[in-house]
Amino acid sequence: SQQGEEDPQALSIQEGENATMNCSYKTSINNLQWYRQNSGRGLVHLILIRSNEREKHSGRLRVTLDTSKKSSSLLITASRAADTASYFCATAMEYGNKLVFGAGTILRVKS
Amino acid sequence: NAGVTQTPKFQVLKTGQSMTLQCAQDMNHNSMYWYRQDPGMGLRLIYYSASEGTTDKGEVPNGYNVSRLNKREFSLRLESAAPSQTSVYFCASSEALQGSSGRALHFGNGTRLTVT
Repeated sequence: SQQGEEDPQALSIQEGENATMNCSYKTSINNLQWYRQNSGRGLVHLILIRSNEREKHSGRLRVTLDTSKKSSSLLITASRAADTASYFCATAMEYGNKLVFGAGTILRVKS
Repeated sequence: NAGVTQTPKFQVLKTGQSMTLQCAQDMNHNSMYWYRQDPGMGLRLIYYSASEGTTDKGEVPNGYNVSRLNKREFSLRLESAAPSQTSVYFCASSEALQGSSGRALHFGNGTRLTVT
C-alpha cells in the first residue's frame, strides 16, 4: 500500500473558507512535500517540511507535521476559486532517494 | 522559462506498437524522472536518472526502457505497448536526487497515452 494517504479524497468549500487536507504515512521520514496539480497539468511543488520541523508557512499555506502520529496537514486559508486543484503529499524516507506520492485530495472551491 | 517540456501531449497506440516519449529540461538539473499517473492512485516512479550517464529502475519499470541522452534530455520507450500502459506519463527533474535531499521536483505537463 502507499506510504502517504490523503484524507479526505474530495473536498468542496465556498470561496473565502479555509481548506484542510491531511496526509498519513507509515514509516519514518526525512521530509514531506506537498504538491498541487491543476486539471490537465503537471504537479507543482508547494512546500516542504523536514522531520525536525513542526510547522511551516508560505503565503496562505500552513503545513504541520506530527511525527509521533505520522501525519501532516495542509491548510489553505481564505481559499479562492483558483485554488481548485488536486493536492498530493509526497514522503521521503529517512534514508535514500525514494519519494512516494499519495493518491491526492481533490479540492473544489466554489465562487 | 520553458522548464520541463514533454512531447507528444497525446498519443493513441495499438497493442504491440512502440513509441518513445521525449522529455527535455532547461534548468540545468542533474536528476530526471519518469512517472505514470493512474486514476485514484498517486504517481508511481517508472525509471529515474540520478545524473547524466546513469539510469535506475523505479517502482514499475516492466515494459519500459529509458535513455538519458544528455544532461537535458531523458526519453521513455515502450517497446510493445499493452492496454495496461494506458496512463498519463509525467517527466520531472530536480537539482539533486529526490528523497532525503529535499529537492523539489519540477514536472512537465504530461503525455496522455491510450493503448487500444
